[in-house]
Amino acid sequence: QLQLQESGPGLVKPSETLSLTCTVSGDSISSSIYYWGWIRQPPGKGLEWIGSIYYSGSTYYNPSVKSRVTISVDTSKNQFSLKLSSVTAADTAVYYCARRDLGEYCFDPWGQGTLVTVSS
Amino acid sequence: QSALTQPASVSGSPGQSITISCTGTSSDVGGYDYVSWYQQHPGKAPKLIIYDVSNRSSGFSSRFSGSKSGNTASLTISGLQAEDEADYYCSSYTSSSTNWVFGGGTKLTVL
Repeated sequence: QLQLQESGPGLVKPSETLSLTCTVSGDSISSSIYYWGWIRQPPGKGLEWIGSIYYSGSTYYNPSVKSRVTISVDTSKNQFSLKLSSVTAADTAVYYCARRDLGEYCFDPWGQGTLVTVSS
Repeated sequence: QSALTQPASVSGSPGQSITISCTGTSSDVGGYDYVSWYQQHPGKAPKLIIYDVSNRSSGFSSRFSGSKSGNTASLTISGLQAEDEADYYCSSYTSSSTNWVFGGGTKLTVL
């Protein structure tokens, strides 16, 4: 059964870089039929797609964070990662990783999510 | 402000039916049959209920159904049960560079 698990620091200082990793188990991240993505949810607010990556390394990002975000994949560890630079309090959110099937336009499944707070 | 508009809350009694709307534009909901719906219980990850407007994900009963008319998509839950109490989010592919947009979420209360 496919499972995704986010990990990383729960507290990041303003202006620093937020770094999270999503570990995939139960399937290969190198499969050519999936995209892997990051989605976030600020406290009490709705969901926002951050970006996605294909196993080959091709990426596409939400323009709202494009200048600050990097998503990468490590096929040897079956993981993909998110880096968001120059964070502010507005980046405080629960961050989810999720899978999207090639040719499908929905995200399934999702990881449990991890809360990242930006505060000094 | 979310790109897709959902009512903040809806409620219904056990056994009743409710419908949650999701309004977008011709660039997203109205332009593609790529609307999906997610259920999120407190502190849990969202779960896919409906994809491609009306296709039900495995694990969800036929009590959940989706539809679309113009720029508005809808999720209907019939035969409400206590465990249906959760937040529900719609999402759509969009032709804009954003690629994916979500609604602000609707809190369903089962009275």
